[in-house]
Amino acid sequence: GENVGLHLPTLSVQEGDNSIINCAYSNSASDYFIWYKQESGKGPQFIIDIRSNMDKRQGQRVTVLLNKTVKHLSLQIAATQPGDSAVYFCAETRHYGGSQGNLIFGKGTKLSVKP
Amino acid sequence: DSGVTQTPKHLITATGQRVTLRCSPRSGDLSVYWYQQSLDQGLQFLIQYYNGEERAKGNILERFSAQQFPDLHSELNLSSLELGDSALYFCASSVGAGGPSPTGELFFGEGSRLTVL
Repeated sequence: GENVGLHLPTLSVQEGDNSIINCAYSNSASDYFIWYKQESGKGPQFIIDIRSNMDKRQGQRVTVLLNKTVKHLSLQIAATQPGDSAVYFCAETRHYGGSQGNLIFGKGTKLSVKP
Repeated sequence: DSGVTQTPKHLITATGQRVTLRCSPRSGDLSVYWYQQSLDQGLQFLIQYYNGEERAKGNILERFSAQQFPDLHSELNLSSLELGDSALYFCASSVGAGGPSPTGELFFGEGSRLTVL
């Protein structure tokens, strides 16, 4: 299987380096943000989330930073591995605002890891 | 494996035809979401069902419809197909009605790739 072949921004990094993937979100009322990873031929897979009352959250090898002032989200991957090669999407929603919480996805960034 | 099952994985059909895509959510999940992933639009939310009832509607065309059955599986019906409907259609599920689960996850299936010729 393969991805749909979107014309995506591409980030190419060397194995072992840190990766930073950026995302600008659209709705200032969004209060919950999620990063998804989509490997070739698969559906999106949850990586990490952050609520709007936080500006940083860390997971295993991943960190998400949120800047509400400029509506910017970033995903940092430490010690990038070949298995991290995928398309990464940010998603936003008004999870706690009484809406249905449906996700609005960004366009995605393709991460390519060179061994 | 997310626990969400979609069939068929691939489907090729002609313009003007009608197809049905099927989704079985994760065990225990009551909400089902349908998303379309196309070349130029990325991942677009189509519709959500919760426990058999329509909960939210996104950018779903009038030619498309969906339903969720008592056993919680869902079907997405696409009719009068056009070339531009060629895309990957994803189903996702979550426990509650309000969107992603408390852990932040929508669980996505592997998608149904529709090709309209």
